[in-house]
Amino acid sequence: DIVMTQSPESLAVSLGERATINCKSSQTVLNTSNNRNYLGWYQQKPGQPPKLLIYWASTRESGVPDRFSGSGSGTDFTLTISSLQAEDVAVYYCQQYYSTPITFGQGTRLEIK
Amino acid sequence: QLQLLESGPGLVEPSETLSLACSVSGGSISSNTYFWGWIRQPPGKGLEWIGSFYDSGTTFYNPSLKSRVTIHVDTSKNQFSLKLNSVTAADTAVYYCVRHLRYNYGYFDFWGQGTLVTVSS
Repeated sequence: DIVMTQSPESLAVSLGERATINCKSSQTVLNTSNNRNYLGWYQQKPGQPPKLLIYWASTRESGVPDRFSGSGSGTDFTLTISSLQAEDVAVYYCQQYYSTPITFGQGTRLEIK
Repeated sequence: QLQLLESGPGLVEPSETLSLACSVSGGSISSNTYFWGWIRQPPGKGLEWIGSFYDSGTTFYNPSLKSRVTIHVDTSKNQFSLKLNSVTAADTAVYYCVRHLRYNYGYFDFWGQGTLVTVSS
C-alpha cells in the first residue's frame, strides 16, 4: 500500500496569511509515461462530505477559488492557501490514485489564529 | 446535476451484516468514464476507501476489507449497494457513496452526504 503522510497534523494561520500543508507518499505517484502525478486534495468542513479541490497534484477543480494551489511531484506535495479566509477552516486530506488500494493522508486541521 | 443518496439502517448489531444502498440521479452508473464506490470515515477520524466497481459490475476492493465486503450493482434502478459482514464496533463510521474518474484508480469528484452507521447491541 502507498502510505500518505501529511504534516502538520494541525495548523493555525491568521486571516489573510498563507497556509501550507504537506503530503508525502511512501512511493512515487508520478506516472512517467504521461508525466502526471496521481494526487488529489480535498477539503472537509464539519458535517459535510469531503470536497475535491485539486487533482493531478496541481489542477484546480471547477469553482475552487484561485487562492488554493497544489504543487509537487513524485513523493512530495504541497497544498497552499495564499490568503486564508474564514471559510477555509476545515480538515484537508491528500489522496493518491496511482495504485490500489486508494489511500488518503490522515488529515490536517486548519484553524484561524 | 449528479446526486448520490445513501440509505440504510443507522444501527447494526455486532456480528451482523451492514447493508447500504446508493441511489444515483443525474447520471448513469453504466457510464464507462467513471468508477462508483464506497468510502467510510469513523467519527473524528480519517477516510478509508472500501471498494468500487466499473463496467456495470466489475469490482475491486480494499484488501483490508475484501474478505467481508461485497458491492452489488442494479443498473435498472441506477443503484448500487454495499454489504459488509461480521461487523464490529470498529466498523462504526459515516459511509459515503462516491464517483471517481477512471484514471488509474481516480480522484473522487462527487460524494453523497453520507450516512452514519453505528455498530452496537
